[in-house]
Amino acid sequence: DAKTTQPNSMESNEEEPVHLPCNHSTISGTDYIHWYRQLPSQGPEYVIHGLTSNVNNRMASLAIAEDRKSSTLILHRATLRDAAVYYCTWTTRDDKIIFGKGTRLHILP
Amino acid sequence: DSGVTQTPKHLITATGQRVTLRCSPRSGDLSVYWYQQSLDQGLQFLIQYYNGEERAKGNILERFSAQQFPDLHSELNLSSLELGDSALYFCASSVGLGRPQHFGDGTRLSIL
Repeated sequence: DAKTTQPNSMESNEEEPVHLPCNHSTISGTDYIHWYRQLPSQGPEYVIHGLTSNVNNRMASLAIAEDRKSSTLILHRATLRDAAVYYCTWTTRDDKIIFGKGTRLHILP
Repeated sequence: DSGVTQTPKHLITATGQRVTLRCSPRSGDLSVYWYQQSLDQGLQFLIQYYNGEERAKGNILERFSAQQFPDLHSELNLSSLELGDSALYFCASSVGLGRPQHFGDGTRLSIL
């Protein structure tokens, strides 16, 4: 059964790095892994995506395990504005989008 | 601003009724996706269209239907509404299959 598993919540101190894990053990070899975040009262916002190798952009880094069964979203220096629910997603071979329940990230000042 | 427009922002109706939610995708995007988000729940994928054709179905009830028109806007029709259908409904668009999605601000549907 296709699914994505994430911790319900995590906490981090401001200006510290944050590592948000995701397990997607049933993903196929050609499906991209996408991460989104949802701020309160807003629609989800794209963060980053990747296939096999690690990816960086201005918002975050994405580390993908060699077997692709898990990935980690890395926020290098968390700020209060990064407090949100972070979703890891992927697409099945029949184009269904699998969203995890998300990780609620709390940032402590 | 994601460029995806959803209307209306809020909708209040009664059980048994039928409603239509509308989505205008970002300019140039051919794929449209619909999601349901119930209170304190994650996003449930409902259905996807690509350039007017249905591409994939997720956990969409038979009482729900959708379509994508030639101008690429999309509508989600919800009928015989039940209390449990109260939720946020999001539309997203992308340039193509598997590409990053851009989400609208959602339509909050309340069933009384």
